[in-house]
Amino acid sequence: QQQVKQSPQSLIVQKGGISIINCAYENTAFDYFPWYQQFPGKGPALLIAIRPDVSEKKEGRFTISFNKSAKQFSLHIMDSQPGDSATYFCAAYPGGTSYGKLTFGQGTILTVHP
Amino acid sequence: GAGVSQSPRYKVAKRGQDVALRCDPISGHVSLFWYQQALGQGPEFLTYFQNEAQLDKSGLPSDRFFAERPEGSVSTLKIQRTQQEDSAVYLCASSFSGRGHPLPYHYNEQFFGPGTRLTVL
Repeated sequence: QQQVKQSPQSLIVQKGGISIINCAYENTAFDYFPWYQQFPGKGPALLIAIRPDVSEKKEGRFTISFNKSAKQFSLHIMDSQPGDSATYFCAAYPGGTSYGKLTFGQGTILTVHP
Repeated sequence: GAGVSQSPRYKVAKRGQDVALRCDPISGHVSLFWYQQALGQGPEFLTYFQNEAQLDKSGLPSDRFFAERPEGSVSTLKIQRTQQEDSAVYLCASSFSGRGHPLPYHYNEQFFGPGTRLTVL
């Protein structure tokens, strides 16, 4: 059962443009939503994360928007750079006192052209 | 080292062979996770350790998969009688806190190793 659905599968953006990746979840027990960035040959690395009691979180050029009622969240990369070219995964887990078993989306391959 | 390390980085096995994949977590991290990442897919949970105790092995795809963490630090994922469908990248992650520790969310951040790419011929 696919509990976190991610789109698009791939995305091509020009340098300076905005990259937008969307995710939707089903399990209402999820209450922590991290985004991971993965470069070829490397493990995923935490990029930014949000809790569902806020609707938006911004860190530099990266912003997460969260819609709890729709069970959807998205990553926006402003002023996209060629160095942002990587695979991005949304994820979810029940935080707090749980041990944090992550459920990942399928991933989006982002290519930023110079 | 400062991060999670895994070895070997690449492993080629003939179908039917047994393999062992090693994970060295960040020192002092209580939690250790194994994930399987098929080509073009997101990582999928395999198993979870809190110190030496294996608290969740619900993601292990068959009884050919076995994981251990006997002293609460290094972990080994063993796959017996490998099959072609076992070909994937196996990721290990560790985090500072464990179950029942209501610390701020960032203490639960999982730090991933680079993975072991297993190819079964």
